[in-house]
Amino acid sequence: NAGVMQNPRHLVRRRGQEARLRCSPMKGHSHVYWYRQLPEEGLKFMVYLQKENIIDESGMPKERFSAEFPKEGPSILRIQQVVRGDSAAYFCASSSSYNSPLHFGNGTRLTVT
Amino acid sequence: ELKVEQNPLFLSMQEGKNYTIYCNYSTTSDRLYWYRQDPGKSLESLFVLLSNGAVKQEGRLMASLDTKARLSTLHITAAVHDLSATYFCAVDMDSNYQLIWGAGTKLIIKP
Repeated sequence: NAGVMQNPRHLVRRRGQEARLRCSPMKGHSHVYWYRQLPEEGLKFMVYLQKENIIDESGMPKERFSAEFPKEGPSILRIQQVVRGDSAAYFCASSSSYNSPLHFGNGTRLTVT
Repeated sequence: ELKVEQNPLFLSMQEGKNYTIYCNYSTTSDRLYWYRQDPGKSLESLFVLLSNGAVKQEGRLMASLDTKARLSTLHITAAVHDLSATYFCAVDMDSNYQLIWGAGTKLIIKP
C-alpha cells in the first residue's frame, strides 16, 4: 500500500523559471494538502484541495503560486518565476476525509539558484 | 495569533539518559500533535493528544497534555541512538490541517 508519493525529491531551478511539484495521495484518499517548510522551521499550511476543487488556499502567496488536483492524475503545486526565497521543502499530505489523520509524503526540496 | 514554542531547540544527550521536550502554545486548542522527522525525510505522526490530562506512550516516548497550562511534554526514557531526529509539536486551530507548528527540537543521541 503505497504512501503519499511526491516527485521530484529534489528540484533545482534558476530565478525566473517555473517549478512544478507533484503529489499522488495515498490510495483511497481524496483530500490533499500542501505545506512549505523553511530550514529550521515547522511547516506552514499553503492549500487544501479535493478532486477538482480548492477548499482552502488561505496559506498560498497571492502571486506566482497555484495548485490543482485534477480528476485524473496527481496534485500539482506550480510556482512561476521562482525567486531565491522560494527555496524550501514542500510537503504534501493526504487524508481520506476532512479531519481524519494526515499522511505526509517525503517532500520536494526546491533550490532556486 | 496562536504561537507554538518548543524548547529546547537543540538537544544533545547520551544514550541511556532521560530528557523532556516542552511545547507551549498561546491560546486554547482541542488537539496537539507530536511528529518526528528524520533528515531529508517526511513527518511521522507520533501522538495525537485530545484532552486535558491525556497521556500516551509508545516505546521510550511518552507525551502528555495540560490544556490549562497550555503545555505538552514529550519525555524520552533511556534514550537510544535510533531516537535521533527532529521532533515537532503542532496545535490545531479549527481543523486537522490548519496546524500551527513549533520550530522543532533537533535531538542528537550519542552512543
